[in-house]
Amino acid sequence: DIQMTQSPSSLSASVGDRVTITCQASQDISNYLNWYQQKPGKAPKLLIYDASNLETGVPSRFSGSGSGTDFTFTISSLQPEDIATYYCQQYDNLPPAYTFGQGTKLEIK
Amino acid sequence: EVQLVESGGGLVQPGGSLKLSCAASGFTFSGSAMHWVRQASGKGLEWVGRIRSKANSYATACAASVKGRFTISRDDSKNTAYLQMNSLKTEDTAVYYCTRDIGDAGDFDQWGQGTLVTVSS
Repeated sequence: DIQMTQSPSSLSASVGDRVTITCQASQDISNYLNWYQQKPGKAPKLLIYDASNLETGVPSRFSGSGSGTDFTFTISSLQPEDIATYYCQQYDNLPPAYTFGQGTKLEIK
Repeated sequence: EVQLVESGGGLVQPGGSLKLSCAASGFTFSGSAMHWVRQASGKGLEWVGRIRSKANSYATACAASVKGRFTISRDDSKNTAYLQMNSLKTEDTAVYYCTRDIGDAGDFDQWGQGTLVTVSS
């Protein structure tokens, strides 16, 4: 089974900061990597799909990059409404598995 | 507007059964794969299982942690997906979300609000 290692587990940053979260797969997953945002008490929201594609309606300060085993999620200028927990998620077809990273809790400094 | 509404959660004793429903609207349900994802209180997200569309033979798959106990089904005439949970364990306690995977590409672009399942004696 493919394992996903997401880091850091928590992060404190100031408004306007550039924030970066990484996700590493235990084996090559091509670009089958998505990023979600989850605010307290709410369902997750898809932000980035296929490693680097911005979901419709998501602000352009969010971006993703990477392929193979190493992936990066970036918020170019942190806003107060970005306070949330962020998850990476990979998709594997053989056998079918959809594995989430452990999550990164983002707080305002 | 796309909507996914889960129902059927509640309190059940260990070893018991529960069936969750996910009513969909606002999109072509029959063409989408549907998944269930759960989240224990204060914990991360865990994929539970999925069912593909008729075009993909309604193929199902489940996580190892629930295989043999949980079954996913769908009724396209009712725009509803189901999660049948048997032999429930205390560790199955979680909020259960249904999600849409419209391209069957492993990305969950719409989520329900979740329904809480509590397994306790």
